[in-house]
Amino acid sequence: QEKVQQSPESLIVPEGAMVSLNCSFSDSASQSIWWYQQHPGKGPKALISIFSNGNKKEGRLTVYLNRASLHVSLHIKDSQPSDSAVYLCAVSTEGADRLTFGKGTQLIIQP
Amino acid sequence: AQTIHQWPVAEIKAVGSPLSLGCTIKGKSSPNLYWYWQATGGTLQQLFYSITVGQVESVVQLNLSASRPKDDQFILSTEKLLLSHSGFYLCAWSRDRTNSDYTFGSGTRLLVI
Repeated sequence: QEKVQQSPESLIVPEGAMVSLNCSFSDSASQSIWWYQQHPGKGPKALISIFSNGNKKEGRLTVYLNRASLHVSLHIKDSQPSDSAVYLCAVSTEGADRLTFGKGTQLIIQP
Repeated sequence: AQTIHQWPVAEIKAVGSPLSLGCTIKGKSSPNLYWYWQATGGTLQQLFYSITVGQVESVVQLNLSASRPKDDQFILSTEKLLLSHSGFYLCAWSRDRTNSDYTFGSGTRLLVI
């Protein structure tokens, strides 16, 4: 069964800083890796995904995937107080109809 | 545009009482549907998935059941609630089985006392 580990558990940074979040997964046959944002009491919202080795950029978000090391990272440029939320890493497995989530990183951006 | 609606928003129920939570997806035919559960401070855990009407697969056994009576409706239920059922229940849909994102509803907060 797929296992998803995220680090750090929590992170506090000043507004404008670059944020880096990490995620490792266990199954090399994993398909897409997703990053979700979850605000308190709300459902998660998909931010960005990656399938192939390398990086992908969308706006202030950049994601890096290294399948050999089973590691993916999310980087948020020019962080804003509105970015404060829990960030969840999720991994899909082909044929399993399953999206497995990590426990998340609590991000706080201080004005 | 597709919309996903969950009901009720919140429930306080007694141990041993029955439970029924609902989820409706509008604007998408034959969606893949999912139920997730999140204990307070815990990890999102997939409970069930359904790729077609009348067909539901269980992922984790938590003394809960799910049904898909219509293409756009997904129901989560149990006849007897346990304290351990407390948490946040989320319904989600996706376009295909592997590489599309899951869109989540706003969730139902359940407290069992």
